[in-house]
Amino acid sequence: QKEVEQNSGPLSVPEGAIASLNCTYSDRVSQSFFWYRQYSGKSPELIMSIYSNGDKEDGRFTAQLNKASQYVSLLIRDSQPSDSATYLCAVNLREGSEKLTFGTGTRLTIIP
Amino acid sequence: EAGVTQFPSHSVIEKGQTVTLRCDPISGHDNLYWYRRVMGKEIKFLLHFVKESKQDESGMPNNRFLAERTGGTYSTLKVQPAELEDSGVYFCASSQDLITEAFFGQGTRLTVV
Repeated sequence: QKEVEQNSGPLSVPEGAIASLNCTYSDRVSQSFFWYRQYSGKSPELIMSIYSNGDKEDGRFTAQLNKASQYVSLLIRDSQPSDSATYLCAVNLREGSEKLTFGTGTRLTIIP
Repeated sequence: EAGVTQFPSHSVIEKGQTVTLRCDPISGHDNLYWYRRVMGKEIKFLLHFVKESKQDESGMPNNRFLAERTGGTYSTLKVQPAELEDSGVYFCASSQDLITEAFFGQGTRLTVV
């Protein structure tokens, strides 16, 4: 079992709809959770971080964390074609360690 | 403010040759990380510097890889001798206050033939 798992997609969502991206992780003691967006040939860009159970909203983005289920998700409301990218889930699995463990990423396509 | 800069953007070398990748972090960022993505796989951690000191090098694949950060500024990652399985995209990231706000460079695509 991979430490951080994502559905690789591709996930296609109509413009204006809600895109839902999911991620599960293996270690219950994980502390920090991040979503990165990566356009083709570009650097990963941090878009959301979440550290405690519940929802965290930032503009059109909402991150949801459920530590009991070892599950973190990213919702993108009012999806735009510019949201088409690969979304990477990254987890800081070990307290005291600064390294991130990434999922393979979900490729999202917003259809105009 | 300049972002994280990596050189070169692409490198094609023959098996057995040496390649040196360079990363210039954001000015003032003490933390510098190297990651690698091989084809079809996830991005994997290689190592972490705090200033010039190696804080965690648990992800370095083997002793063909050598990372340095002289003076706590830019960092280099040398692969010697390169093998076919070293092909991939090497990312550098830097942060001021640990991993919570890490900014990534665009990566160096290394192809070993």
